Amino acid sequence: EAGVTQSPTHLIKTRGQQVTLRCSPISGHTSVYWYQQALGLGLQFLLWYDEGEERNRGNFPPRFSGRQFPNYSSELNVNALELEDSALYLCASRGGINTGELFFGEGSRLTVL
Amino acid sequence: GQQVMQIPQYQHVQEGEDFTTYCNSSTTLSNIQWYKQRPGGHPVFLIQLVKSGEVKKQKRLTFQFGEAKKNSSLHITATQTTDVGTYFCAGSNNAGNMLTFGGGTRLMVKP
Repeated sequence: EAGVTQSPTHLIKTRGQQVTLRCSPISGHTSVYWYQQALGLGLQFLLWYDEGEERNRGNFPPRFSGRQFPNYSSELNVNALELEDSALYLCASRGGINTGELFFGEGSRLTVL
Repeated sequence: GQQVMQIPQYQHVQEGEDFTTYCNSSTTLSNIQWYKQRPGGHPVFLIQLVKSGEVKKQKRLTFQFGEAKKNSSLHITATQTTDVGTYFCAGSNNAGNMLTFGGGTRLMVKP
């Protein structure tokens, strides 16, 4: 069974640019979570999607947005990139609301210059 | 909103020593999960605790959930170099639909 897959694995952008990160959950999982992990720090909750709808949002500015597609894959968009957006962006999937553990992907490492 | 605090932030131990990380929530939790993230890796689920006062063991790892369901701990007996990584707790609120992660405890083991 394939795990959670994320793309791209690494990318470099400059300030002011826009980036789109992609996540494919485990087959059958309807919930997708996005987390930001700055170097050496903890997991900051960004967004949660379930059944195509945004269920909750962390304390991030509106330039962080996303969506979930009918096949439950998800995108995270970040506009007007700032230096402090440099981080590992982790996607995780779950079978549904209140159903057990999160399965994380390998992450997308974003560097903003 | 729900906050989950974890201490210590860092811990250096000599191989063979014990290690404990503590997790405290500002609100009562429906359950708590623990994850391990190896250096350069992604978080991997270790265990979930649901019942008040629950204790679970996985080989050298012992997990506890407090009676009030507001705190938890992970204890590793006789650490090994393979235990190196960051340990995160993650608590679910009573609706069970949001996982809030603690800041993590980074464990370093000297051989």
